[in-house]
Amino acid sequence: NAGVTQTPKFQVLKTGQSMTLQCAQDMNHNSMYWYRQDPGMGLRLIYYSASEGTTDKGEVPNGYNVSRLNKREFSLRLESAAPSQTSVYFCASMGAGGPLSTDTQYFGPGTRLTVL
Amino acid sequence: GDSVTQMEGPVTLSEEAFLTINCTYTATGYPSLFWYVQYPGEGLQLLLKATKADDKGSNKGFEATYRKETTSFHLEKGSVQVSDSAVYFCALSNFNKFYFGSGTKLNVKP
Repeated sequence: NAGVTQTPKFQVLKTGQSMTLQCAQDMNHNSMYWYRQDPGMGLRLIYYSASEGTTDKGEVPNGYNVSRLNKREFSLRLESAAPSQTSVYFCASMGAGGPLSTDTQYFGPGTRLTVL
Repeated sequence: GDSVTQMEGPVTLSEEAFLTINCTYTATGYPSLFWYVQYPGEGLQLLLKATKADDKGSNKGFEATYRKETTSFHLEKGSVQVSDSAVYFCALSNFNKFYFGSGTKLNVKP
């Protein structure tokens, strides 16, 4: 039982390049989330998916797209990376995984992205 | 909208000191409240939670009580250890969305 996994762990991009961050969970959770964490700003929600087949914008969606590929996987894509997107990205999942976990989020280890 | 406010850090304590990190929230309805901990280079881990008013969450010597009358969920520990050094996030869950505070860094010195 790996929980929430993310790939890659580290990435360096040049301005204008594209990339996809991958996230998978093995807890049979319905909801999945993408956050970014910047110094002094806590976590900010980029996009979330309440269930397979649905996605919604969070607080800071501009410059990102997401795909809920199936119940397990939720990817985040940067089409044209900008230095302002330098951050640590966390994926999380929540819900329906057990009797006491329906409103608890479980986080992956993060992807540290630098855009030059 | 819903939001969480927690005390700014860093908080620096000596080993075995008493810890309080304040957290207040604004929310409609009946949110669940959480404390998460983040160690350097890692993701967030659930520390404790409370799902209704007057509930007390506890784990690893940490405690927090859901106070609806004061809209607070302060984190306490009676005797901190060096290994407790980390960033602590207060959060609430409401209608399938999470809202996080900005985090409080705790440094515990031996």
